[in-house]
Amino acid sequence: DAGITQSPRYKITETGRQVTLMCHQTWSHSYMFWYRQDLGHGLRLIYYSAAADITDKGEVPDGYVVSRSKTENFPLTLESATRSQTSVYFCASSDGVSGNTIYFGEGSWLTVV
Amino acid sequence: TQLLEQSPQFLSIQEGENLTVYCNSSSVFSSLQWYRQEPGEGPVLLVTVVTGGEVKKLKRLTFQFGDARKDSSLHITAAQPGDTGLYLCAGAAGGTSYGKLTFGQGTILTVHP
Repeated sequence: DAGITQSPRYKITETGRQVTLMCHQTWSHSYMFWYRQDLGHGLRLIYYSAAADITDKGEVPDGYVVSRSKTENFPLTLESATRSQTSVYFCASSDGVSGNTIYFGEGSWLTVV
Repeated sequence: TQLLEQSPQFLSIQEGENLTVYCNSSSVFSSLQWYRQEPGEGPVLLVTVVTGGEVKKLKRLTFQFGDARKDSSLHITAAQPGDTGLYLCAGAAGGTSYGKLTFGQGTILTVHP
């Protein structure tokens, strides 16, 4: 049971570069989410998707782009990385029926220098 | 924007002591969840409380949802070193906001042998 996997787990990039974080889930969950975790802020929702080809902004979407052409994949792209986007990024998924139960991936540590 | 204030932010106690973590908001949530996160991993769901006044127990952990569904608490009895970790509360607004959780800042718990 692979569950939900993120790649890369660790990434260092330079300011201004484009970076894509990948997320893949094997449960066929309809809902997928991207959160970022920063000290003192907990987790904040960047984007979410209720189904393939349906995405919507969360609390902190600026500077990020998402797509969902297939149910199992939900990549997050930083179009022009900034130092303020240094963070730990978590992808998550949910089947939409389990009382808001969502399952998190192991995280992607991104450093922008 | 819904906010969840979690306290305390840090907690350092000796094995065998009891502790309580609080999660408070001025907003009403349809459900509230508690997660535990280990270093280098994603949050893992401990419990979901849905009904105002609900109390759930998970071994030595007791979770309570406030009557007005605006606050929650996590009480650990006789803490053990294995309880060390980051504890997060998260509220769900419900309705069309399925899966869009608002997280508290987290409580870093350290239990010393």
